[in-house]
Amino acid sequence: DQQVKQNSPSLSVQEGRISILNCDYTNSMFDYFLWYKKYPAEGPTFLISISSIKDKNEDGRFTVFLNKSAKHLSLHIVPSQPGDSAVYFCAARPISSGSARQLTFGSGTQLTVLP
Amino acid sequence: DAGVTQSPTHLIKTRGQQVTLRCSPISGHKSVSWYQQVLGQGPQFIFQYYEKEERGRGNFPDRFSARQFPNYSSELNVNALLLGDSALYLCASSLDAGRLVTFFGQGTRLTVV
Repeated sequence: DQQVKQNSPSLSVQEGRISILNCDYTNSMFDYFLWYKKYPAEGPTFLISISSIKDKNEDGRFTVFLNKSAKHLSLHIVPSQPGDSAVYFCAARPISSGSARQLTFGSGTQLTVLP
Repeated sequence: DAGVTQSPTHLIKTRGQQVTLRCSPISGHKSVSWYQQVLGQGPQFIFQYYEKEERGRGNFPDRFSARQFPNYSSELNVNALLLGDSALYLCASSLDAGRLVTFFGQGTRLTVV
């Protein structure tokens, strides 16, 4: 039962254009959503997060939008750069229940930014 | 400052064998989590340890076990290896168990033949 889904395994974008990566979730009991970036032979690196009570968070070229009614979030990268080419994972953290607040990850989207 | 370090980086084992993977968290971090990433999928939570106690366990069989030492380093043990255990095993550390952002190591690539 996948609670966090990334339905696009890959995305190619021209350098300088906008990259939009999408993520859907099925469980409303998440309090934060995160995006991680992963280069080959490296571990995932935290990129940006958004609280479930917000609908937008921005950090430089990266903006995350949250649509709670649609259970959908997206990561916008503007402008895209070749160094942004990586696998992007969407992750969600459950509201605390006293147990471990482990992250639930989507399957990832491979972003390729073409020069 | 050193990040999360994992050893070994690559490992090949035979079905039925046992394996131990090691993780050293970032200095000052007391929480360590383990994730399994199978090719084409996202990381899946296995365990979280905080202050040497297990704080959570994912949906993995009892063949998987872990522990955390007084210096906050951690080991993940997998017994009776199956071909399906082939994956990238990621260790992540954070200051405490409730911290939002966790920092991942580069992972240990385990291949079971």
